Amino acid sequence: GEQVEQRPPHLSVREGDSAIIICTYTDSATAYFSWYKQEAGAGLQLLMSVLSNVDRKEEQGLTVLLNKKDKRLSLNLTAAHPGDSAVYFCAVSVDTNTGKLTFGDGTVLTVKP
Amino acid sequence: AQTIHQWPVAEIKAVGSPLSLGCTIKGKSSPNLYWYWQATGGTLQQLFYSITVGQVESVVQLNLSASRPKDDQFILSTEKLLLSHSGFYLCAWSPPAGRRQAPLFGEGTRLSVL
Repeated sequence: GEQVEQRPPHLSVREGDSAIIICTYTDSATAYFSWYKQEAGAGLQLLMSVLSNVDRKEEQGLTVLLNKKDKRLSLNLTAAHPGDSAVYFCAVSVDTNTGKLTFGDGTVLTVKP
Repeated sequence: AQTIHQWPVAEIKAVGSPLSLGCTIKGKSSPNLYWYWQATGGTLQQLFYSITVGQVESVVQLNLSASRPKDDQFILSTEKLLLSHSGFYLCAWSPPAGRRQAPLFGEGTRLSVL
């Protein structure tokens, strides 16, 4: 089945710096790709999702890049601020009917003032 | 706007006791519904999904069961809790099949089994 590797597991940046998180996946039939943010003790907040026919998407200081050839998905937070500190998960899906997401192991992002 | 509500917010239960967790979706008809489980500090794993009332599919076997008694309600339960059931349970929804939208999650229920 689908396997997802996410790196780095921990990332610490200064306020105003960019933070990049990368996921690689194995199934070339993956239909869509998502990034979620989880703050301490809370549920998952959907940040952005892209379909497999999209290479790049930008929204509100976030950039998602999809490289289907290398099976690589990245999230770039430009100009990070302390409120961005959280755990970030990538999630990929092959089957939209089952809604089964395969998650990465998460990246703990710390943004220092 | 669609809202997703999970109850209870947290539970502390004894090993061997029963459990029932609930999830309600408002503002959307015929949603696909999902249960996910997250071990403390870990990643998420799908447990069940349902695309219609009365129909639930199991993804992994964890001595849990799920039911969808109403279009907007999804229930997770077990008759006997195990220590390994501890963790964070998240309900999620997405539009009916054919519309590709990433699932949206509720705020979760934190379960501690002692």
